[in-house]
Amino acid sequence: AQSVTQLGSHVSVSEGALVLLRCNYSSSVPPYLFWYVQYPNQGLQLLLKYTTGATLVKGINGFEAEFKKSETSFHLTKPSAHMSDAAEYFCAVSDESGGYNKLIFGAGTRLAVHP
Amino acid sequence: GAGVSQSPSNKVTEKGKDVELRCDPISGHTALYWYRQSLGQGLEFLIYFQGNSAPDKSGLPSDRFSAERTGGSVSTLTIQRTQQEDSAVYLCASSPRQGLNTEAFFGQGTRLTVV
Repeated sequence: AQSVTQLGSHVSVSEGALVLLRCNYSSSVPPYLFWYVQYPNQGLQLLLKYTTGATLVKGINGFEAEFKKSETSFHLTKPSAHMSDAAEYFCAVSDESGGYNKLIFGAGTRLAVHP
Repeated sequence: GAGVSQSPSNKVTEKGKDVELRCDPISGHTALYWYRQSLGQGLEFLIYFQGNSAPDKSGLPSDRFSAERTGGSVSTLTIQRTQQEDSAVYLCASSPRQGLNTEAFFGQGTRLTVV
């Protein structure tokens, strides 16, 4: 069965600093991986996804993630944090069993950005 | 509409009462999901609808929970005899088609508080 582990429930960075949010997955088959962002009192918005092909995936708002099969990781990065990036971030993997995109989410990482 | 719409946005109910939560998916989307977001449990899959196929109800936590989707569009999640542990944010999502790498578009959620 697929699973996702996000290391660090809270991450705090300075404005302009590198953002690194960690995600490790467990899957018996090549995974489909997603990063979603949730702003306060809002639903989830897709940042980026990995399906097949290029292992470095670029998303919206300057975020990117690299799929590393050898490390079973899909860490999210952004070179320079902005105050508006403060939100909760969820890594997710598709559960293969049903043949549809049933998402298995990590516990989430809350990102704080301070001046 | 432009996005997934959920109503009500907030619901406070007394323990033991029944509640209905509504989801209007994006027009033309055939796949519809319900997830629950609660403290300590993170984001949990509840149920999945695809077209006229039988729904995947494997995530429903008890027989007090049920959902239907009428005409392949609007969905209602019903919780009978609510308990305090049902307090959570209930998120609905829709996708344009079935598929493992298909993006799910989320609504803003219904925050349910059982007192």
